Amino acid sequence: AQSVTQLDSQVPVFEEAPVELRCNYSSSVSVYLFWYVQYPNQGLQLLLKYLSGSTLVESINGFEAEFNKSQTSFHLRKPSVHISDTAEYFCAVSGGRFGNEKLTFGTGTRLTIIP
Amino acid sequence: NAGVTQTPKFQVLKTGQSMTLQCAQDMNHEYMSWYRQDPGMGLRLIHYSVGAGITDQGEVPNGYNVSRSTTEDFPLRLLSAAPSQTSVYFCASRPGQGLYGYTFGSGTRLTVV
Repeated sequence: AQSVTQLDSQVPVFEEAPVELRCNYSSSVSVYLFWYVQYPNQGLQLLLKYLSGSTLVESINGFEAEFNKSQTSFHLRKPSVHISDTAEYFCAVSGGRFGNEKLTFGTGTRLTIIP
Repeated sequence: NAGVTQTPKFQVLKTGQSMTLQCAQDMNHEYMSWYRQDPGMGLRLIHYSVGAGITDQGEVPNGYNVSRSTTEDFPLRLLSAAPSQTSVYFCASRPGQGLYGYTFGSGTRLTVV
């Protein structure tokens, strides 16, 4: 069975400071890893994904995540956050018993930017 | 291009009532899924479909039914609503390959009293 752990339920960060949102996963098979973002009162949007190849993946709005197979982690980072980054962030993994049909989510991390 | 459309956006039901949450996508995606989102629990898979006429259960299927008669539509039926089904429901779709992320609808906020 696959699972995702997001250790931090809430992360407050000052504007223009760096941030890291942690994600650890477990799976018995090769995985695809995703980060989704949910802005207030909206659905989820795909932020970035790791499928294979380079372990560092980037999004168009300055976020990046690094796949670390030995530590089974896929932490999300941004060197300088903005007010507009206030949202809830979900790490997700696909693969496992249902194959690629099932996407398993972590419990989410609420990022609050302090002006 | 509308993406994934969910209706209604809000709904209040009395215990024991039934209703259908609608989901439609116009991207010709093969895979469609229903998730529920509860505070502190992330998103949990209710049912999913890998194509028209094919559905299967997810983690929390009890109390819900689905069908997939067309590629575009994937309605979720609550047979007899219970307060434990108070949640935000999201429908999502993606093409056939797992390397594509899901596209999510904007959600239905359901309250059962």
